[in-house]
Amino acid sequence: AQTVTQSQPEMSVQEAETVTLSCTYDTSESDYYLFWYKQPPSRQMILVIRQEAYKQQNATENRFSVNFQKAAKSFSLKISDSQLGDAAMYFCAYRSAGTYKYIFGTGTRLKVLA
Amino acid sequence: EAQVTQNPRYLITVTGKKLTVTCSQNMNHEYMSWYRQDPGLGLRQIYYSMNVEVTDKGDVPEGYKVSRKEKRNFPLILESPSPNQTSLYFCASSFAREWADTQYFGPGTRLTVL
Repeated sequence: AQTVTQSQPEMSVQEAETVTLSCTYDTSESDYYLFWYKQPPSRQMILVIRQEAYKQQNATENRFSVNFQKAAKSFSLKISDSQLGDAAMYFCAYRSAGTYKYIFGTGTRLKVLA
Repeated sequence: EAQVTQNPRYLITVTGKKLTVTCSQNMNHEYMSWYRQDPGLGLRQIYYSMNVEVTDKGDVPEGYKVSRKEKRNFPLILESPSPNQTSLYFCASSFAREWADTQYFGPGTRLTVL
């Protein structure tokens, strides 16, 4: 069975600085998708970024980028120029290609310090 | 406005009293899913559906039922709720296409079972 591990329950970053959130996963499959979701205090779940396993190029979305290391089964999220609005819980998630069964990590709470 | 709606948003009930949480989406999505979120455990998928009359178990289906009689609706049924089902529940939907699988989440339902 696949597993997703987020080993940092909480992290802090100074406003305008860069922070990296870690995510590792375990799978025997070669084709899958990885996601980072943001959950602000409003509880609304929002997709931040998505990565296809067959693509070697790391996904980027404005200030958000990932470091996808397939062999190491690592999928970290880098947030550049952190803003107060980035404060939230961040979840890493995995989905096998061909299914819609999702596995989420336990989350990392990010605090942004002014 | 494209959205996923859930009702009720908050519910306090007692052990054994059957309840239904409704979920509806207006985006013509094929895929719909229910998750529960618990502190320290992240999100766990309960059931998902790829189309009308097609449902599959997620990681934590015990104690829950679902049905998909219409494409837009995916109710979650707790036939005999127990205190360990106290949780925050999210409904989500997306297209069932590999390149268009962004999940849209509802606002959440906070359920307390006494």
